Amino acid sequence: QVQLVQSGAEVKKPGASVKVSCKASGYTFTGHYIHWVRQAPGQRLEWLGWINPQTGGAIFAQKFQARITMTRDTSMTTVYMELSSLRSDDTAVYYCARDPWTRGRRNYFDSWGQGTLVTVSS
Amino acid sequence: DIVMTQSPDSLAVSLGERATINCKSSQIILSDSNNKNSLAWYQHKPGQPPKLLIYWSSTRESGVPDRFSGSGSGTDFTLTISSLQAEDVAVYSCQQHYSPPYTFGQGTRVEIK
Repeated sequence: QVQLVQSGAEVKKPGASVKVSCKASGYTFTGHYIHWVRQAPGQRLEWLGWINPQTGGAIFAQKFQARITMTRDTSMTTVYMELSSLRSDDTAVYYCARDPWTRGRRNYFDSWGQGTLVTVSS
Repeated sequence: DIVMTQSPDSLAVSLGERATINCKSSQIILSDSNNKNSLAWYQHKPGQPPKLLIYWSSTRESGVPDRFSGSGSGTDFTLTISSLQAEDVAVYSCQQHYSPPYTFGQGTRVEIK
């Protein structure tokens, strides 16, 4: 079955960076885009961007473009999301989520990781 | 950005009764490729990731009970739970999958009356 398993919770200081991993299994890793979505306390879900695991190409929400990176390691079937210059309002649960379409993107999400809590606090 | 607005923010329904959640998009989200509305619904329970229920505004995801249905057109969409079960207590969010950034509604909390 499709599984996305994320790395554990992180506590970071303002200005630091965080790198969250998402290991995929149960399907062809290069066949599906992976998106990242976050949810801050009391806020709605927020889309951060996507990565194409086949090419490594990625697109980000404009809000995050200056400080977000997405990469992948095909040998490890893992994608990574790194967010830099962290602020207190980056405190959130970060999710990776799979795009269901195998011939491109549909931009909705059929399988999700369990979530990684990132806390930014001095 | 497309703004997604849900109503109500919370809803209490008796077991076996109908629950209706509304979602309004700030612009048309009709896909040129298949003439379907690019609207998804998710169920979100505490401590769990969101679960996809509906996409293309009315297509039920595999394995989702048929008491969940989606409808709508233009900028107004609805998620209906025809007969509320105890396990349906959750927050429900809509999401437009039409254009980036792919935005979500603020969520509607469904409880048992």
